[in-house]
Amino acid sequence: GENVEQHPSTLSVQEGDSAVIKCTYSDSASNYFPWYKQELGKRPQLIIDIRSNVGEKKDQRIAVTLNKTAKHFSLHITETQPEDSAVYFCAANPYNFNKFYFGSGTKLNVKP
Amino acid sequence: SAVISQKPSRDICQRGTSLTIQCQVDSQVTMMFWYRQQPGQSLTLIATANQGSEATYESGFVIDKFPISRPNLTFSTLTVSNMSPEDSSIYLCSAEGPNYGYTFGSGTRLTVV
Repeated sequence: GENVEQHPSTLSVQEGDSAVIKCTYSDSASNYFPWYKQELGKRPQLIIDIRSNVGEKKDQRIAVTLNKTAKHFSLHITETQPEDSAVYFCAANPYNFNKFYFGSGTKLNVKP
Repeated sequence: SAVISQKPSRDICQRGTSLTIQCQVDSQVTMMFWYRQQPGQSLTLIATANQGSEATYESGFVIDKFPISRPNLTFSTLTVSNMSPEDSSIYLCSAEGPNYGYTFGSGTRLTVV
């Protein structure tokens, strides 16, 4: 099955700085890569996703990049704000299967 | 996006008993999934709930321990059977459909004593 590795496990940045979270996956057939944000005690919320036919996608302060050759994808958050503090999970979706395999999570702390 | 209602939101159960968790989606969805999340940990897929057929379980999870029902395209249940303290966790359902991304229910926080 798919194996998703995520780094770093914790990330602390100053408000206004950028944050980058990286994930690698093992199944070259994976074709869909969502990112979820989970605030304490709440459900994971989809914040951005990318498909394998696209190299980069942006949504305001959030962007995701995908390198299919290297089998890694990254989440970029610019101009971080305290409300960005949460746990972020990457996931990969093997081709023709609708289930996700999640990374181990990154706890992001944005210091005001 | 669709709304997923999950209940109960939390429960404290005696070891040896069973708990059934319900997940209701406000529109028809092709597939539903059940995940487990240990405190401070990632999400682990338990099984895919298939409408009209048996659920598909991931390695390490078996039907006798986690029976799943999917009677229609908007509803699924997960039962945690013969519970032990190791089953204490958050259980989440998730759904995928043709018109929206993948969303999660609010979760069920289970404590087994």
